[in-house]
Amino acid sequence: GAGVSQSPSNKVTEKGKDVELRCDPISGHTALYWYRQSLGQGLEFLIYFQGNSAPDKSGLPSDRFSAERTGGSVSTLTIQRTQQEDSAVYLCASSVPSGGVADTQYFGPGTRLTVL
Amino acid sequence: GNSVTQMEGPVTLSEEAFLTINCTYTATGYPSLFWYVQYPGEGLQLLLKATKADDKGSNKGFEATYRKETTSFHLEKGSVQVSDSAVYFCALSDHSGNTPLVFGKGTRLSVIA
Repeated sequence: GAGVSQSPSNKVTEKGKDVELRCDPISGHTALYWYRQSLGQGLEFLIYFQGNSAPDKSGLPSDRFSAERTGGSVSTLTIQRTQQEDSAVYLCASSVPSGGVADTQYFGPGTRLTVL
Repeated sequence: GNSVTQMEGPVTLSEEAFLTINCTYTATGYPSLFWYVQYPGEGLQLLLKATKADDKGSNKGFEATYRKETTSFHLEKGSVQVSDSAVYFCALSDHSGNTPLVFGKGTRLSVIA
């Protein structure tokens, strides 16, 4: 079946511009996560959606970052007024909770963001 | 807070050598532990996992045992192949349910023929 898909695969933008990154989770997966992979920081959690609950935004590095998930499926991560330190690979993952035990998260291929 | 520490790379081995990548963790409660692998040009894939103490996860010849007494989850393989060349990430998840993964910084493995 189809895995997690992300678009675009690469994005080059100028400092100060806004960008939107898209994630299509695996059908039926109610949990969706955004992570960031950068050379200096490794893999960092950004934000987590689970069903209709309020998202866990505890990993967002600044108020320039936001995300939404429409209809419990597709998610968009928006970075406003991009800075060079935002350059990284942004990864999306999804999972289907089985109740009480940590479940496998399936990752998309990522979006490589370069801020010039 | 929760954290994962894994051995620094890169690691370079000859084909058929024995592999160990060390991973230790700090967590409250009883986390689940994972090894993810990222092959060149590909996304992160789950390699194996263990959800409670003394569990052994295994896949593709790789093994890791959840050791609560030493807070460790070391990855091992008896005989590596060139195709095992990749970056390996140790991670944990709070056992209270589906929560974000906390990753180690990754270890790059290169296997030469």
